[in-house]
Amino acid sequence: GNSVTQMEGPVTLSEEAFLTINCTYTATGYPSLFWYVQYPGEGLQLLLKATKADDKGSNKGFEATYRKETTSFHLEKGSVQVSDSAVYFCALSRQGAQKLVFGQGTRLTINP
Amino acid sequence: DAGVIQSPRHEVTEMGQEVTLRCKPISGHDYLFWYRQTMMRGLELLIYFNNNVPIDDSGMPEDRFSAKMPNASFSTLKIQPSEPRDSAVYFCASSPWTGPGNTEAFFGQGTRLTVV
Repeated sequence: GNSVTQMEGPVTLSEEAFLTINCTYTATGYPSLFWYVQYPGEGLQLLLKATKADDKGSNKGFEATYRKETTSFHLEKGSVQVSDSAVYFCALSRQGAQKLVFGQGTRLTINP
Repeated sequence: DAGVIQSPRHEVTEMGQEVTLRCKPISGHDYLFWYRQTMMRGLELLIYFNNNVPIDDSGMPEDRFSAKMPNASFSTLKIQPSEPRDSAVYFCASSPWTGPGNTEAFFGQGTRLTVV
């Protein structure tokens, strides 16, 4: 079946540190890949997406590259801020389908 | 647009009672999703609709759960009777059709349900 595996959290970093949150997927065909972010007390928001192999999604300083050969979509940011503290979800939608399959989420805390 | 609107934001109910969660999707969106979020199981898709028609309800945990979408601007998720293990945050999300697999789902703020 289709599934997403994220690195276990929580992750705690200092401000201006480099961030990587690993995400790997299992899917048939060519899924689209997404990162969503959930701030405390809110619903999920789309952070970035990539719809085909080698595409790079980017937004708010975050980046992720669709790597078909390693079935990965790791999230990176060069210099994190306290305001980036949130839960991050990797997700996929199977080719031809609309529903999203989410990973377990990774809680990120940034200390000043 | 005000975004996806869910009500109530918080619900506390006694075991055995009926609970109804409500959702107003973004106008013009073709898809509506109901998710449940718990610490143990993460984010689970319960059911989703396309143009008011249920497409996949394989995630609905059991017969106590039911969902309806009587029109394009309203959906309900009902639990009857409720049990303590139903305690979770329930999210509604909607999505426009922009191409196969190109899902950008817009989430509501969720309903935190506590069954005591």
